[in-house]
Amino acid sequence: GDSVTQMEGPVTLSEEAFLTINCTYTATGYPSLFWYVQYPGEGLQLLLKATKADDKGSNKGFEATYRKETTSFHLEKGSVQVSDSAVYFCALSAGSARQLTFGSGTQLTVLP
Amino acid sequence: DTAVSQTPKYLVTQMGNDKSIKCEQNLGHDTMYWYKQDSKKFLKIMFSYNNKELIINETVPNRFSPKSPDKAHLNLHINSLELGDSAVYFCASSQVSGNYGYTFGSGTRLTVV
Repeated sequence: GDSVTQMEGPVTLSEEAFLTINCTYTATGYPSLFWYVQYPGEGLQLLLKATKADDKGSNKGFEATYRKETTSFHLEKGSVQVSDSAVYFCALSAGSARQLTFGSGTQLTVLP
Repeated sequence: DTAVSQTPKYLVTQMGNDKSIKCEQNLGHDTMYWYKQDSKKFLKIMFSYNNKELIINETVPNRFSPKSPDKAHLNLHINSLELGDSAVYFCASSQVSGNYGYTFGSGTRLTVV
C-alpha cells in the first residue's frame, strides 16, 4: 500500500538556520504530494503541494520539489523563524478516492 | 468564513458513555473525512464519505459510527467509550476531482476518564 516516511524528530534549530525535513514515499501510480503544518493546539494547514514530477511547491519561504526518481519530497527553508515552530507532516494522495496518507510528523522547534 | 468547523473542541467523559462529534463544511466540497491523531501525533484515517456515501471505512471498532445527513455534514458517534479512545479527532473535507488537498477542522480533543 501507499506509505510516507519522514525523518524522525524532534528537530531543534536556531533562528535563521537552514531547515531540511526529509520525506520519501511509496505509491502506485502518480501521487500528488503535500506538506501540512500543525501549530500547537490547531488543526492541520496545507503548506504546499506538488502534483507531478519535477513540480516545486512553495509557500512562506518553504519549498519542496517532487522527485520521482528518488521518490522524495524534502521540505526546505533557508532561514527559519521562531514562528515556524510546529509539527510538519508530509503526505501523499493517490487512487480514485484520493485518500491522504500521512507521514509520522516532524516536530520542529526554533530557538531565538 | 469558509471553513471546516467541528464541535465540541474539548470533550471529557467517563468510560462507557456515548458521545458525538459534529462536523460541518461550507466549502462546497464533495468528500469528508474523519482522522484520529494519537498522543505521538500520528494521523490515521477512520472514515471517508463522498456525497453522503461511505467510501473509506478503515479498521476501527464498531463502536465508532459515522453519519452523513448531507454532503456538508459528517458526524462521528462513539458508543461505550474506552480509555484508548482518548485522542484528537480531526474532520476534513476535499474536492476529490480538484486534488487540492484537504481542509481540516481545528480538532476535538477527546479525553476518556
